[in-house]
Amino acid sequence: GIQVEQSPPDLILQEGANSTLRCNFSDSVNNLQWFHQNPWGQLINLFYIPSGTKQNGRLSATTVATERYSLLYISSSQTTDSGVYFCAVTPNSGGSNYKLTFGKGTLLTVNP
Amino acid sequence: DAMVIQNPRYQVTQFGKPVTLSCSQTLNHNVMYWYQQKSSQAPKLLFHYYDKDFNNEADTPDNFQSRRPNTSFCFLDIRSPGLGDAAMYLCATSRIRDSLKYFGPGTRLLVL
Repeated sequence: GIQVEQSPPDLILQEGANSTLRCNFSDSVNNLQWFHQNPWGQLINLFYIPSGTKQNGRLSATTVATERYSLLYISSSQTTDSGVYFCAVTPNSGGSNYKLTFGKGTLLTVNP
Repeated sequence: DAMVIQNPRYQVTQFGKPVTLSCSQTLNHNVMYWYQQKSSQAPKLLFHYYDKDFNNEADTPDNFQSRRPNTSFCFLDIRSPGLGDAAMYLCATSRIRDSLKYFGPGTRLLVL
């Protein structure tokens, strides 16, 4: 099946700093989502971005589908940004085009 | 305006005692999914329904079953919970199989 790798696995920032999280995937995809999992375990959908660039406030994401990677940018980080960020994809081909496969996540800690 | 609702949010059960988790949606989506997420791991798909069509993942234990009595509701039944089944259980929906997935807040299951 499709492989999803996220980097870095852990990231510690001071409040106000910027960061870039990366997601590499091994096959072409028809769906890519970035999630933030809050301390209560809820997965908050940040972006649906199988290709292109989107922005939402301090967050933006870019997916370069031809090169099989996506980037999540967090600017002016706040303590409430802390948590795990997951990238998840569904492959274009084969019988698994329904199955959202997750990377292992990036654990972000933002210190005051 | 909750779109995917899970009840209960926390469930404590005894080893071997059957338990049922509930998911409902107001999106009128065709597809409903159940994911299991163990501590410090990524969510893993257990099964999904496309309308009434049930699709089990190959590595989902027989101990896990699901029911979808109508479009809005889907249940996860764990017939004989073991200690290893303690996890967060996440319900998700999508309009069609390869479209944007919406996740509920999850049910955290503890097995004593």
